[in-house]
Amino acid sequence: KAGVTQTPRYLIKTRGQQVTLSCSPISGHRSVSWYQQTPGQGLQFLFEYFSETQRNKGNFPGRFSGRQFSNSRSEMNVSTLELGDSALYLCASSSTDRPNEKLFFGSGTQLSVL
Amino acid sequence: GNSVTQMEGPVTLSEEAFLTINCTYTATGYPSLFWYVQYPGEGLQLLLKATKADDKGSNKGFEATYRKETTSFHLEKGSVQVSDSAVYFCALSSGSARQLTFGSGTQLTVLP
Repeated sequence: KAGVTQTPRYLIKTRGQQVTLSCSPISGHRSVSWYQQTPGQGLQFLFEYFSETQRNKGNFPGRFSGRQFSNSRSEMNVSTLELGDSALYLCASSSTDRPNEKLFFGSGTQLSVL
Repeated sequence: GNSVTQMEGPVTLSEEAFLTINCTYTATGYPSLFWYVQYPGEGLQLLLKATKADDKGSNKGFEATYRKETTSFHLEKGSVQVSDSAVYFCALSSGSARQLTFGSGTQLTVLP
């Protein structure tokens, strides 16, 4: 069974641009979560989707948005990029929306903002 | 709000040494507790979890016990291997929210 797939693996953008990251969950998984990982702030929750509905959102500005499609694939978008948005963005999927459910993480998209 | 405090790293051990990584938490209600591991260039993998007080999670020789009285979930392994070298994250989830709150991570290096 294929794991969580994130594309692209690496991305370089300049300030002010926008970016879209993609995540394909494990087949059959309906929940997708996104996390930002930086050396300074560590791992921080961005948002979670279940069956195309956003269930929870972290403390990030409105420039960060996401969506989930009917096939459970998810995208996150960051508009008007800032230098501080440089980070590893991790996507995780699970088969249910239960709080204790194991999350399966992808390898992430490394975003560099110049 | 929820928070996780994790032992600062990096930690360097010799092969077959005993490992302890401390983790304490602050949370409302009765959180579930997790240890995730991140190998270089990869995403996180669940190592073990515990969902209620006094539960012991275990996997691959690693163990952690949910201690409500001390709000702790320390990770231990009796004999580490070079292949255990990775970053270890303590995390919690609380209530109906799916989001995980992570500690800062502890880099473990095991030398042969």
